[in-house]
Amino acid sequence: NAGVTQTPKFQVLKTGQSMTLQCAQDMNHNSMYWYRQDPGMGLRLIYYSASEGTTDKGEVPNGYNVSRLNKREFSLRLESAAPSQTSVYFCASSDPGTPIGYTFGSGTRLTVV
Amino acid sequence: DAKTTQPPSMDCAEGRAANLPCNHSTISGNEYVYWYRQIHSQGPQYIIHGLKNNETNEMASLIITEDRKSSTLILPHATLRDTAVYYCIVRVDGGSTLGRLYFGRGTQLTVWP
Repeated sequence: NAGVTQTPKFQVLKTGQSMTLQCAQDMNHNSMYWYRQDPGMGLRLIYYSASEGTTDKGEVPNGYNVSRLNKREFSLRLESAAPSQTSVYFCASSDPGTPIGYTFGSGTRLTVV
Repeated sequence: DAKTTQPPSMDCAEGRAANLPCNHSTISGNEYVYWYRQIHSQGPQYIIHGLKNNETNEMASLIITEDRKSSTLILPHATLRDTAVYYCIVRVDGGSTLGRLYFGRGTQLTVWP
């Protein structure tokens, strides 16, 4: 009963480095999402995937790319990290079309120095 | 654009009911009202949702006004563990934005002994 699993939990990057945040869900959900949360702010949608094989931009997509590898996995890549991308990143999944709640992961705390 | 307005903070005595208001005056007829909460920067947790009618589950009750322009989340007997940021969200549905959630800054609820 893992739900949504994110790795890593913590990461420190130097400016210009790249990395991929991993997310996997075991609930057979069709849709998956990446959000970021800055201090004192609500969550902002970066990218989402309504179903396997599709991805679309959210509110703040610049500087990020995503891959929906299969139905279970949705990764977020930072090609050239910037200090402005220091944030907590949350992955979530849901089934669209039915009014059920989202399930969120526990987050990845990323610091770019 | 979060489409909802919530007070930034509220407090409540332990054991008393906590009533958290939310305004969503531009809500569309097919949009649901969702409530989530976030404890200590963990991943947000689903609480309850509704369309028109009042709803109740083991965690809370949701009261939606007849014109659907506002709602109230009720925690009937608040405990210290209910201290969290509570988000009221209108669920955008349909088309390219299917299932996406937009978060505002929420209400910081502090339950005191």
